[in-house]
Amino acid sequence: GQNIDQPTEMTATEGAIVQINCTYQTSGFNGLFWYQQHAGEAPTFLSYNVLDGLEEKGRFSSFLSRSKGYSYLLLKELQMKDSASYLCAPQAGNNRKLIWGLGTSLAVNP
Amino acid sequence: ETGVTQSPTHLIKTRGQQVTLRCSSQSGHNTVSWYQQALGQGPQFIFQYYREEENGRGNFPPRFSGLQFPNYSSELNVNALELDDSALYLCASSSDRVSTDTQYFGPGTRLTVL
Repeated sequence: GQNIDQPTEMTATEGAIVQINCTYQTSGFNGLFWYQQHAGEAPTFLSYNVLDGLEEKGRFSSFLSRSKGYSYLLLKELQMKDSASYLCAPQAGNNRKLIWGLGTSLAVNP
Repeated sequence: ETGVTQSPTHLIKTRGQQVTLRCSSQSGHNTVSWYQQALGQGPQFIFQYYREEENGRGNFPPRFSGLQFPNYSSELNVNALELDDSALYLCASSSDRVSTDTQYFGPGTRLTVL
């Protein structure tokens, strides 16, 4: 079957670094997306990893290990506006569908 | 701004009624996916349309149906509404010309069924 596991909630302090982990089990894995979703809004694209390793994009970085079925999203220099849900979404199968987890709700405190 | 729009923003219906939600994709995006998202949950895949044909369907009953038009717009129709259909409905467009098939979401339609 297909399964995605990420923590339900995390809390961090403004200015700090936080790592959100995601483990997945899919068949026909293509790549993995991370999306950010603020309450009541649509998900917005953050990153896409297809090869093993770290992809850095400003304050956000995403890591992938295909052999371990593992990814993480690293957020540096946290800001209050980073309080949101972070969704890990592996892409799998010939039709390249996204499989969505429940998301990690991150609260950034002053 | 993703260039994907949805209408209406909010909608209130009663049980048993029918509803049509609309989505306008980014120009040139030939694939549209529809999702249902309940509060506190991740998006649940309803179906995907590619070049006006259904290209995969999630675990939703036949009363959920869709259409995609040549002008990059699409519709989600839900018949015989049930209370559990209350959710945020999202459409996301993507292009098979881009290897990653990154999906760009519209702002969603919040449907409340009373």
